Amino acid sequence: AQSVTQLDSQVPVFEEAPVELRCNYSSSVSVYLFWYVQYPNQGLQLLLKYLSGSTLVKGINGFEAEFNKSQTSFHLRKPSVHISDTAEYFCAVSGFGGGADGLTFGKGTHLIIQP
Amino acid sequence: KAGVTQTPRYLIKTRGQQVTLSCSPISGHRSVSWYQQTPGQGLQFLFEYFSETQRNKGNFPGRFSGRQFSNSRSEMNVSTLELGDSALYLCASSLFLGQTNNEQFFGPGTRLTVL
Repeated sequence: AQSVTQLDSQVPVFEEAPVELRCNYSSSVSVYLFWYVQYPNQGLQLLLKYLSGSTLVKGINGFEAEFNKSQTSFHLRKPSVHISDTAEYFCAVSGFGGGADGLTFGKGTHLIIQP
Repeated sequence: KAGVTQTPRYLIKTRGQQVTLSCSPISGHRSVSWYQQTPGQGLQFLFEYFSETQRNKGNFPGRFSGRQFSNSRSEMNVSTLELGDSALYLCASSLFLGQTNNEQFFGPGTRLTVL
C-alpha cells in the first residue's frame, strides 16, 4: 500500500513569484508519481507524471517536478505564477503493476495567487 | 474529441434512498474508474471497470456498486444513502486497464448531497 502527504493545505503566493508545492510519499514498492490540478467546479487534469528516467519532469502550464527517491519526495515547482494558476493541486502515487488500490491521492494543496 | 461526461452534475437525495450516477468515457477508452472526493477524506478510489468487468476495488462498503456496459459507459449505484455519502463523485477514463503509465482523463464530477 502507498500513502501520500502534502505538507501544506494552503499556499499563498504573489503573482509572478516562484512557488513550490511539497509532496512526500511512502511505499513498499517502486512507484509512479503524478500531479493533478483541479479548478473550481471541474474534474482533475494531469499536470505531469514520473514513470522512469530523468528525475526532473516537465509538465503543462510551465510546471515541473523533481523525483527524489532518497527523500521520497516529488515536489512541484513553477518559476513564476499567474492568477490563472489559482486551483487545488493533488499529488498521487501508484504502485508498479497498477495495484488494487488505484491512484492514491494526497489531501491537496490550495494554491492562492495574490495580485 | 469529447471529454468524459458525467450525469447528472448535481443530485439531492435523502437518507435511505438509492442513487445511480452515469459516466460516458472518451470514445475508444475501455477503462472507467470511479473516485469519491470529500473535504475530510480527500480523493478515494472506489473501483475500476474494464471490458464490463470490475477489475479493481477500493475499500468501500457493499452499498457502493457499479457496472460497465458494452459501449464502455459506466454507472455507479449507492444504496441506502447515508449523510456521509455526500461528496463529489469523479469518473475517469483511460485507454487501458491500470492506473500507472496509462493516463486517466477525469470528468467534471457529480455533486451528491444527502439530506
